[in-house]
Amino acid sequence: QKEVEQNSGPLSVPEGAIASLNCTYSDRGSQSFFWYRQYSGKSPELIMFIYSNGDKEDGRFTAQLNKASQYVSLLIRDSQPSDSATYLCAVRDTGRRALTFGSGTRLQVQP
Amino acid sequence: SAVISQKPSRDICQRGTSLTIQCQVDSQVTMMFWYRQQPGQSLTLIATANQGSEATYESGFVIDKFPISRPNLTFSTLTVSNMSPEDSSIYLCSVGMGLTPGLADRGELFFGEGSRLTVL
Repeated sequence: QKEVEQNSGPLSVPEGAIASLNCTYSDRGSQSFFWYRQYSGKSPELIMFIYSNGDKEDGRFTAQLNKASQYVSLLIRDSQPSDSATYLCAVRDTGRRALTFGSGTRLQVQP
Repeated sequence: SAVISQKPSRDICQRGTSLTIQCQVDSQVTMMFWYRQQPGQSLTLIATANQGSEATYESGFVIDKFPISRPNLTFSTLTVSNMSPEDSSIYLCSVGMGLTPGLADRGELFFGEGSRLTVL
């Protein structure tokens, strides 16, 4: 069974620090990788996607992909209390259109 | 992204009853999916809603328990049948944007606001 693994946290960082969220996946053929943010009581919201090895930056967010290691990460620079949420890593498996989600990492940004 | 509306947003149901959740999208979409998120858990795919044909269910989910309809490219329903307390969960409609003019299919999914069911 295809799996996406995340540390459940909580990951606690002070305001202004860099938060680093990690994800590993089991399907070596996976091509597309996504990070969603989910506030308590809300539905998941897409914040980043990445397809190629390396880094992809969007504002304060940087997604990193290493297909050889089957590893995806999300860096949040200058973390704000409003970034406090659960971050879900999602992978589009080979031959499928649906996404497989990890269990999520809860991030707490301390003012 | 599309506007995805789900009804009901929440409901409290009695054991043994059934409830139908509706998902309406404001534009045609290629793919529609139903996910479940149990309390404190991540998202689990229930099924792919196929337009004009039977849904494709994931392992552990069956049509008799979760019948799904998708009569067109903008609407789908999920029924949770013969409910038990274990069915208490948030049910999420999700869409992919492949058919939306001007939007390439980048693979991402977008979610409705969810339907929170509590079964007593």
